[in-house]
Amino acid sequence: NAGVMQNPRHLVRRRGQEARLRCSPMKGHSHVYWYRQLPEEGLKFMVYLQKENIIDESGMPKERFSAEFPKEGPSILRIQQVVRGDSAAYFCASSPRADYGYTFGSGTRLTVV
Amino acid sequence: DQQVKQNSPSLSVQEGRISILNCDYTNSMFDYFLWYKKYPAEGPTFLISISSIKDKNEDGRFTVFLNKSAKHLSLHIVPSQPGDSAVYFCAANGVGAQKLVFGQGTRLTINP
Repeated sequence: NAGVMQNPRHLVRRRGQEARLRCSPMKGHSHVYWYRQLPEEGLKFMVYLQKENIIDESGMPKERFSAEFPKEGPSILRIQQVVRGDSAAYFCASSPRADYGYTFGSGTRLTVV
Repeated sequence: DQQVKQNSPSLSVQEGRISILNCDYTNSMFDYFLWYKKYPAEGPTFLISISSIKDKNEDGRFTVFLNKSAKHLSLHIVPSQPGDSAVYFCAANGVGAQKLVFGQGTRLTINP
């Protein structure tokens, strides 16, 4: 049983480009969470999704960021018109139900040049 | 507003001795606390947790203590081993909340 799979592991984008980060949850997990870790800081919650629904997006920046978790396929975190301040490690986690602890993926390290 | 704080960015301990990592929180609505361990270039790995109805939880070499009145928790590792060298994050969440609030992390180094 594979763990939470994130790809790509490393992503380099120029300012103004779009970044798409993918997360495939563990088998049987229908709850997905995205966190961002800025350099020398802890992880900050961004968004919580279930299949086809956004449950809590209180940590998402109001502009340029969006997330989805379609019925089929991975969850996608999309960042439009990236800026240098978006450079961070983005971690995805999944759980089988809402009241259960979750498992993190290895992260995608986004560098904006 | 940093609701979960780990005031020691780093800690160095000799192999075989006890490592004590500390965490303070400000939100009295938090009712579940977790410790995660993180190696470079990997995601956080769950280590141990404690509910607010308890004051201690033990799992092998790891023990977490919770002092609700002081809004303080600590992680004890004994005996410390070289493989314990990592960054440790304290996290908390409230009733019905699925999102975790993380501290800034403490980098633990175990010296041989």
